[in-house]
Amino acid sequence: DIQMTQSPSVLSASVGDRVTLNCKASQNINKYLNWYQQKLGEAPKLLIYNTNNLQTGIPSRFSGSGSGTDFTLTISSLQPEDFATYFCFQHNSWPFTFGSGTKLEIK
Amino acid sequence: QIQLVQSGPELKKPGESVKISCKASGYTFTNYGMYWVKQAPGQGLQYMGWINTETGKPTYADDFKGRFVFFLETSASTAYLQINNLKNEDMATYFCAREGEKFGAFFDYWGQGVMVTVSS
Repeated sequence: DIQMTQSPSVLSASVGDRVTLNCKASQNINKYLNWYQQKLGEAPKLLIYNTNNLQTGIPSRFSGSGSGTDFTLTISSLQPEDFATYFCFQHNSWPFTFGSGTKLEIK
Repeated sequence: QIQLVQSGPELKKPGESVKISCKASGYTFTNYGMYWVKQAPGQGLQYMGWINTETGKPTYADDFKGRFVFFLETSASTAYLQINNLKNEDMATYFCAREGEKFGAFFDYWGQGVMVTVSS
């Protein structure tokens, strides 16, 4: 199975900051990497699919990049509602797998 | 509007079975695969597998082969997850999620999740 490693596990930041979350795959997953945001007690929400495609309705401050094994999610200017946990997800190879998550917390 | 509405929380004893439903509305049920995701308390997301809503064929990730069953009631636009012979480690929230509208946009809609508590 492909292992997805996210870093950091916890990131402290302030409103207005630019932040970058990382996701590394144990082998090449081409561009087949998605990002999800999950707030406490809620279902996850799709933010980005296929590395850099913004899901409908997601603010443009979210962006994704990368290819192969290394990927990033960038939030250009943190808003109060962005403090949540973020998961990456590979759908290049069966079985699909999630990363362990990055918790973005208020500094 | 598109919605996935899951059944309510469950409290079960080890060895019992549980059946969780996921009712879809607002779209043609058989046009999109349905996926299942597990989240243990305070933990991350674990991909369980999916069911082809057109053919009814389920596919399970390795950790979910044997006691876990995905099935459909297509006439009711509903997918089900049944867990047999419950174990303590099955205690978790289980989400259903739809295959995406666009290629690769997996899980564009989610159910609200069902918390399954396993306790003797």
